[in-house]
Amino acid sequence: GQNIDQPTEMTATEGAIVQINCTYQTSGFNGLFWYQQHAGEAPTFLSYNVLDGLEEKGRFSSFLSRSKGYSYLLLKELQMKDSASYLCAVREPYTDKLIFGTGTRLQVFP
Amino acid sequence: ETGVTQSPTHLIKTRGQQVTLRCSSQSGHNTVSWYQQALGQGPQFIFQYYREEENGRGNFPPRFSGLQFPNYSSELNVNALELDDSALYLCASSLDRGENEQFFGPGTRLTVL
Repeated sequence: GQNIDQPTEMTATEGAIVQINCTYQTSGFNGLFWYQQHAGEAPTFLSYNVLDGLEEKGRFSSFLSRSKGYSYLLLKELQMKDSASYLCAVREPYTDKLIFGTGTRLQVFP
Repeated sequence: ETGVTQSPTHLIKTRGQQVTLRCSSQSGHNTVSWYQQALGQGPQFIFQYYREEENGRGNFPPRFSGLQFPNYSSELNVNALELDDSALYLCASSLDRGENEQFFGPGTRLTVL
């Protein structure tokens, strides 16, 4: 079966660092994606990992361990505008089908 | 460059009716995927179209059908609407099959009464 787990909600303070974890059990794997989704809006692409290790992009970093079925998204220097849902998604091999987790709702407080 | 657009923005239907949702892909993109996102859930893959052909389907019944036109715009049709079909329907386009980045449209909020 396909299963992607991430915490439902997290809170953090402006300027802090937060790590959002994602574990997955899927029948195949062809990359892991992180998307940001503000309430009532479309998801926007944040990062992509297909090999083990850390990918850094400005204030956002994403890590992947394929052997552990684990990824995390690291957000540094949090800003109020980072309050959103963060979706972890695994792409199936040989298709572009993305399997999404339920998302982690992050609230940033001043 | 125009992004992915969807119409209508909101729609209210009653059980048993049929609905057609539309998506215009980003310029130059030949691949369109449709997702259903229920409230508080992540998007679920419905199907993908590549160059006017269906290229993969999720666990949705046959009353969910689609179409892609020569200009790569796409339609999602849902027949015999059920209450559980109430959701945000998202369309995502990508430059080609296998591309890493899918660009999502703003979605159509469908309410079935």
